[in-house]
Amino acid sequence: DTAVSQTPKYLVTQMGNDKSIKCEQNLGHDTMYWYKQDSKKFLKIMFSYNNKELIINETVPNRFSPKSPDKAHLNLHINSLELGDSAVYFCASRGTVYQETQYFGPGTRLLVL
Amino acid sequence: DQQVKQNSPSLSVQEGRISILNCDYTNSMFDYFLWYKKYPAEGPTFLISISSIKDKNEDGRFTVFLNKSAKHLSLHIVPSQPGDSAVYFCAARESTGTASKLTFGTGTRLQVTL
Repeated sequence: DTAVSQTPKYLVTQMGNDKSIKCEQNLGHDTMYWYKQDSKKFLKIMFSYNNKELIINETVPNRFSPKSPDKAHLNLHINSLELGDSAVYFCASRGTVYQETQYFGPGTRLLVL
Repeated sequence: DQQVKQNSPSLSVQEGRISILNCDYTNSMFDYFLWYKKYPAEGPTFLISISSIKDKNEDGRFTVFLNKSAKHLSLHIVPSQPGDSAVYFCAARESTGTASKLTFGTGTRLQVTL
């Protein structure tokens, strides 16, 4: 009964490949997020969706494309992977607009060789 | 430009003593502040939060203090336990309509020794 789950947990791939990371939340939340934690452990927001609508898009290369098929799912597709994309990617969700707490998934560790 | 800073990358405290983790911010538009705890290979777990209109919030062994004039907050853990050993992230929320995002500090690694 995991609240926010991500697949895969680990992803090792070659430069230039395209890969996807999936996220699902069973909390009934309206808003979902993607964060990137880089090698310096800095956790930074990438995207946010509210009821399948993109509401936050930080300055992320357009090789990264989020997709939300429904409000319980938020996937991240990355085209033409680069070495600098190696990081841990965290999905998170939040309840209503009045709630401040975000709940995080376990992370997907991406290594680009 | 880092809007949320945790200047101590690590802290070591003896079991039973108080742990104090500090956080500074620069953006006056932040309306909520949160502390997350993170174990290796896991996602951050919410610990405690405080609204910008309050100066203290307490939950069991955890208390967060907010000094808005100094743009400073701190997390107190009393008494510290070995299971508290983790990385603690300070986060600040900024909201614009339905768009609400958290800005994180770089974390403080707390080690509670026996």
